[in-house]
Amino acid sequence: KQEVTQIPAALSVPEGENLVLNCSFTDSAIYNLQWFRQDPGKGLTSLLLIQSSQREQTSGRLNASLDKSSGRSTLYIAASQPGDSATYLCAVASNYQLIWGAGTKLIIKP
Amino acid sequence: DGGITQSPKYLFRKEGQNVTLSCEQNLNHDAMYWYRQDPGQGLRLIYYSQIVNDFQKGDIAEGYSVSREKKESFPLTVTSAQKNPTAFYLCASSPRELTQHFGDGTRLSIL
Repeated sequence: KQEVTQIPAALSVPEGENLVLNCSFTDSAIYNLQWFRQDPGKGLTSLLLIQSSQREQTSGRLNASLDKSSGRSTLYIAASQPGDSATYLCAVASNYQLIWGAGTKLIIKP
Repeated sequence: DGGITQSPKYLFRKEGQNVTLSCEQNLNHDAMYWYRQDPGQGLRLIYYSQIVNDFQKGDIAEGYSVSREKKESFPLTVTSAQKNPTAFYLCASSPRELTQHFGDGTRLSIL
C-alpha cells in the first residue's frame, strides 16, 4: 500500500532564504507526483506536476525533483517571501487516485 | 470563469441529521472526487467518480453517500451513520490522469 510522508511537519525561516521541502513515498510504481499549496481555510492550488518519466519541473522560484528509485521528491523554493507562507502538500498518483502526504506548514518571517 | 464551486462554505449538523454538500464544476472534467481533511493529516479519499452514473468508494466511504447524475455535479451526503463528521471537506475534479482542481472546501461542524 502506497504511503506518502512529508518531513518536517512545520518549518519557519527568515525571508530571503532558499529552502527545501521533502516528500517520500513507499512504492515507486507511480504515474506522477504533484505538489500543491493550501492557504488556511482554502482549497488546494496545484504548483507542479512531475510525470513518472521526468526528473524535475520548474515554475518561477519553484523547482520540484523526482527520484523514483529512492522514493523521494523535493520542492525547492528560492528567495522565499512572506507570501509563500502556506501548507505544502505532495501527492502521488496511481490508478486515478492520489495518495497524500500530511503536508509541511511553512512560515516565512519578514 | 471555469472552476469548482463548493457550497456552503460552513455547515452545521445536528445529531441524527443527514446533510448534503454541493460540488459543481464547469471545467468539463470527467472525474470528480471528495476528500476529507483533518488537522495534521493528509487528505483521505471518500468517494470518486470517473464518469456519469458511476462512482467508487475511497478509503473512508462508511457513513457517506454520493451521486453523479450529471457530469457537472457530484454532491456528498454525510449521513447520521458518520459518527465523527467534523472536518474540512474538499471536492476536486480532473481531466482523467492530469492534475486535480479543487474547490474552496466546506467546513462541517456538529451542533
